[in-house]
Amino acid sequence: GAGVSQSPSNKVTEKGKDVELRCDPISGHTALYWYRQSLGQGLEFLIYFQGNSAPDKSGLPSDRFSAERTGGSVSTLTIQRTQQEDSAVYLCASSSFNGARETQYFGPGTRLLVL
Amino acid sequence: AQSVAQPEDQVNVAEGNPLTVKCTYSVSGNPYLFWYVQYPNRGLQFLLKYITGDNLVKGSYGFEAEFNKSQTSFHLKKPSALVSDSALYFCAVRDTGGGNKLTFGTGTQLKVEL
Repeated sequence: GAGVSQSPSNKVTEKGKDVELRCDPISGHTALYWYRQSLGQGLEFLIYFQGNSAPDKSGLPSDRFSAERTGGSVSTLTIQRTQQEDSAVYLCASSSFNGARETQYFGPGTRLLVL
Repeated sequence: AQSVAQPEDQVNVAEGNPLTVKCTYSVSGNPYLFWYVQYPNRGLQFLLKYITGDNLVKGSYGFEAEFNKSQTSFHLKKPSALVSDSALYFCAVRDTGGGNKLTFGTGTQLKVEL
């Protein structure tokens, strides 16, 4: 079946502009995660959604970052007033249900470049 | 707090030789451990995980990993490396008492040469 998809695959923007990144999880997966991969760094957790529960926003680096998940499926990560340090690959993952044992499956990522 | 260390930024190995990519972890409870591989300009692909039971876990593409609780390690291994194994490998941990987010290491670049 289809895996996690993300769009756009690449995004170039100017400093100060807002950007929206989209994630379509695997059908039926109730848990959705956003991570950020900066050059030379590992993956940094940003936010986690599970069903209708309040999201875990503990990884968001600033209030310029926000995310929503509509209808328990598609998620959008929004970065307002982008800064050059926001340049990174943004990865989305989903898993079948809210369990620590469950494997997270990753999308191909959105490569964001802020000029 | 949970953390993962991958002490080697890069590992070089000749094709046909065994390979090991090292990972150590720190958690307050019991660990769930994962290995992922990332090919250039691609997302992460799941290789294997340790949840409980047998300390030797077998995964995709002939990879395996051994959970060692006393050494808090989860090294990735393969008996015979292929050039196509060249990629970036990430170890990740989830604390059984620490929610659902994964904490990743900084990655190890594996280069397999002819």
